[in-house]
Amino acid sequence: LAKTTQPISMDSYEGQEVNITCSHNNIATNDYITWYQQFPSQGPRFIIQGYKTKVTNEVASLFIPADRKSSTLSLPRVSLSDTAVYYCLVGGDTNAGKSTFGDGTTLTVKP
Amino acid sequence: ETGVTQTPRHLVMGMTNKKSLKCEQHLGHNAMYWYKQSAKKPLELMFVYSLEERVENNSVPSRFSPECPNSSHLFLHLHTLQPEDSALYLCASSQDREGVFSTDTQYFGPGTRLTVL
Repeated sequence: LAKTTQPISMDSYEGQEVNITCSHNNIATNDYITWYQQFPSQGPRFIIQGYKTKVTNEVASLFIPADRKSSTLSLPRVSLSDTAVYYCLVGGDTNAGKSTFGDGTTLTVKP
Repeated sequence: ETGVTQTPRHLVMGMTNKKSLKCEQHLGHNAMYWYKQSAKKPLELMFVYSLEERVENNSVPSRFSPECPNSSHLFLHLHTLQPEDSALYLCASSQDREGVFSTDTQYFGPGTRLTVL
């Protein structure tokens, strides 16, 4: 089970691009990298997922280097409503539940 | 709306009560999960069901009893809880695909805020 390491917290201002990096040195060959967003008193919400290189959707981009030992979630032009906890998960093996939520990164967007 | 519903959304119970939390997923998934999230703490995985069979139980006290009657429904039966069991209880589902690279993307319900007096 790949362990992930993220910064505990980050601050940003409205309109800025935010990059949150996650380290996962022992990622397995068939592991995907998934990012979730969680607001207080709500369940986490899927943001983006990738296996290698770059993935982009309407919400974010995910950059994964060739060695896949880290990944970076990029949020373009954040707003106050992007204040949340962001979790990086690595897993997706054949057995359900192998991915584990760590402490996540608390992003605070200021006006 | 994620396709996963949970009831009730809020529950207050005494330590001697028996109650149940209900989760229903409308996504056609074959795996369901219970998580506990205490205040300002990470999510703790409690139970995992895949194809209606329990595949993981992370040493949860016996006062929590899960039940998965079919792939769309998941229950968490509660009895003789302690005040420290007060937390947000989250249900999630995913599609567990054996034999291929499983994405393991989980879709979460809104949670049940449980308060034990």
